[in-house]
Amino acid sequence: KAGVTQTPRYLIKTRGQQVTLSCSPISGHRSVSWYQQTPGQGLQFLFEYFSETQRNKGNFPGRFSGRQFSNSRSEMNVSTLELGDSALYLCASSLVVTGGTEAFFGQGTRLTVV
Amino acid sequence: GQQVMQIPQYQHVQEGEDFTTYCNSSTTLSNIQWYKQRPGGHPVFLIQLVKSGEVKKQKRLTFQFGEAKKNSSLHITATQTTDVGTYFCAGNFGNEKLTFGTGTRLTIIP
Repeated sequence: KAGVTQTPRYLIKTRGQQVTLSCSPISGHRSVSWYQQTPGQGLQFLFEYFSETQRNKGNFPGRFSGRQFSNSRSEMNVSTLELGDSALYLCASSLVVTGGTEAFFGQGTRLTVV
Repeated sequence: GQQVMQIPQYQHVQEGEDFTTYCNSSTTLSNIQWYKQRPGGHPVFLIQLVKSGEVKKQKRLTFQFGEAKKNSSLHITATQTTDVGTYFCAGNFGNEKLTFGTGTRLTIIP
């Protein structure tokens, strides 16, 4: 069974630009969560989607947004990029509810803002 | 707020020595999960603990969930070089999201 696929793997953007990251969960998984990982802050929860509905949101500014499509694929968007947005962005899919069963992580998208 | 504290942040051990990392929450958890992230990799699920006082073993790894369901530990016996990585606990407060601890980076000295 294919794992969680994130694209692109690496991205370099300029301050002020916007970026869209993509996540394809494991087939049959309906829950997708997004995390930001930085050396200083660890894994920070961004948001979680289940059946196209955002059920949870972390403490990130409104510049961070996401959505989920009917096939469970998810995208996250960051507008007006700042240097501090440089991080590894990970998505994770779960069979049903996030936290109730194991989360399968993708390889992540390494975003560098210059 | 709902936070999960994890200590230590770093641990360097001689190969063959034991290693333990601890997680604590100020509020009761529904369950706790443990993940391992190898250098340059992504977190990989190790185990989930649900019951108060639960102890689970996976070969040299022993996981415990406290009686009050507020703390947990991961103990590795006789570490090997393959154990290198960062170990994260992730708490579920019953709100359908995982709150990760800050992780413990394990380095093995051959």
